[in-house]
Amino acid sequence: DTEVTQTPKHLVMGMTNKKSLKCEQHMGHRAMYWYKQKAKKPPELMFVYSYEKLSINESVPSRFSPECPNSSLLNLHLHALQPEDSALYLCASSQGKAGTNNNEQFFGPGTRLTVL
Amino acid sequence: AQKVTQAQTEISVVEKEDVTLDCVYETRDTTYYLFWYKQPPSGELVFLIRRNSFDEQNEISGRYSWNFQKSTSSFNFTITASQVVDSAVYFCALNSPARQLTFGSGTQLTVLP
Repeated sequence: DTEVTQTPKHLVMGMTNKKSLKCEQHMGHRAMYWYKQKAKKPPELMFVYSYEKLSINESVPSRFSPECPNSSLLNLHLHALQPEDSALYLCASSQGKAGTNNNEQFFGPGTRLTVL
Repeated sequence: AQKVTQAQTEISVVEKEDVTLDCVYETRDTTYYLFWYKQPPSGELVFLIRRNSFDEQNEISGRYSWNFQKSTSSFNFTITASQVVDSAVYFCALNSPARQLTFGSGTQLTVLP
């Protein structure tokens, strides 16, 4: 199984809502990532988990809260988002420690988020 | 710091033409890794290739080929006999043991029938 899955595919939420994005991989990868991608732009790194511990937070606002319940799952909890947070949110995973970086990242299909 | 430049924002070709996507990178690290990803309209980034800095061998995979030249800090990607299904945004990316993945701005390739 060489697949990263993400749910939901689409999400529309108001600024006062609380929602969660989910990501799952069964490749035995120990590094997992959240990226944000705006239209016609490259992905921007948000968070990195290595062996289920948060290793990198790229100064992301606290209204985004990541969680890694186990080595296969990665969540992104959303609360009090702004319209400018509307974007494609991509999850990725790779083998080994995030710090080695010598392995390719495999991406999920993304969640297209719209904040009203 | 590291940087990836994809100067071609958009390219249009007619089916069966060959097309080369350019990628120029900057890094001070002696060990680094280069990648190409394809992003079709569906949104998922599809991994195409990884190259290590110490391996300058070019690679061919079907209609795809990659030319890595450290002397010019370039890692170009050629599609031979392009097809409509090749239409996508292509990203070149770079990382190193100490740095996370940096993407270029992407090249939108449109293959016309």
